This record gives sequence, C-alpha cells and structure tokens, in this order.
Amino acid sequence: EAQVTQNPRYLITVTGKKLTVTCSQNMNHEYMSWYRQDPGLGLRQIYYSMNVEVTDKGDVPEGYKVSRKEKRNFPLILESPSPNQTSLYFCASSQRGGTEAFFGQGTRLTVV
Amino acid sequence: GENVEQHPSTLSVQEGDSAVIKCTYSDSASNYFPWYKQELGKRPQLIIDIRSNVGEKKDQRIAVTLNKTAKHFSLHITETQPEDSAVYFCAASTFMNTGFQKLVFGTGTRLLVSP
Repeated sequence: EAQVTQNPRYLITVTGKKLTVTCSQNMNHEYMSWYRQDPGLGLRQIYYSMNVEVTDKGDVPEGYKVSRKEKRNFPLILESPSPNQTSLYFCASSQRGGTEAFFGQGTRLTVV
Repeated sequence: GENVEQHPSTLSVQEGDSAVIKCTYSDSASNYFPWYKQELGKRPQLIIDIRSNVGEKKDQRIAVTLNKTAKHFSLHITETQPEDSAVYFCAASTFMNTGFQKLVFGTGTRLLVSP
C-alpha cells in the first residue's frame, strides 16, 4: 500500500531535549516536505527536499533541521525544542512539483 | 513569494445545501491548484485539483473553478452531507528559485453540515 509513515504520532517533551520525528515513503517520490499546522494559520512549510542530499528552507525553518540521505526517508530534527514549537506536524511526499502531495498521519508535539 | 488567502474561515450549512469556499493567490506563475480535505484527527487528503489551462473541473458533487485573470479559484460542494464536515484547504503551486515547485496553502475553512 502506497503510504507516508511518520513516527511518533504523539510526543510530549521538555524544553531543550533534542528529538527526531521520522518520515518514510514507499512511493519512490522525489519531493518531500515538512509542514506544521497551527490553528488559524493553515499548513506552513518548514523544509523541503527535491532529492537525496538536496534540501532547502521553507517558510518557517527556524529551530528545525532536516536531512535526506536516502530517497525514502526525510527526518525532522529539533535540536533544542521550545514551547513555540508545540504544533501538529505533517510530512508529505510527491512525485514532482505540481502533483498530488501525500501526507503522513501527523505528529502532535507538545514542548513543556 | 506566493500568498494564498482563503474565505470563509468557517461555514455552516444545512444538509442538502451547497457550499462555496473561495481562494485568491498572488503569483501569476502558479499553475496547479489542489484542494485538500482534513477530517478531524486525520491527515489532509486531495479531493480535487485543477491546472491553469482549465477553467472548471467536476467530480460528482464537488467542482472547482479557476479564474486566472482575477487570480482566484473556488470549491463548490453541492447536496452537502454530514460526512462533508471537515476542514478544507486550498493551495497554489508556485516555482522557487531552486526549481522546486512548492505548495502554498490557505488557512483553511471549517465546514459544518448540519442534518
């Protein structure tokens, strides 16, 4: 089954404790992105990747890092989480630009 | 960069009524306009999309119209049903300097269909 898988689904952590949210897709898609969803603000892009070892900042990249060592995986790293990073995070992949984006199940992160 | 505005933020209709959600975009080079539906606690999923060389597209009870001159596009849902209740996001695909074609989303419309 074609899918994008994120883990974990829920995470509560403390300020400053490094964490990684994993994302994996099995559709051989080139493009992958991370979004955060906040009430009233919609989906805002954090980082994106056009292919292996090619990543760039989206609209709200501060406090986040990503890597794309393999085509299928695109982890999101928070080196020192802060409470303002409490949000719902989605990973998405697409074959190329201008095509359907497939979203993961989401990760609800709470930083206390 | 691209900016997508979406209205209304909330929309309440009676079952069987029609619902219309409108979006405007700023980048005239945008050429792909998808609509996503997000049910409570679920991931966004594509329900319909339209490309800039088409003015209208229909799929059963949902339709999307695009006015390139005015830079706006709309989602139309006819004969609404309670299961249409969800948050709907519009998006516009714009090119970045890197060649990446990025989706910029609207802020969402919460549709509530009452029986």
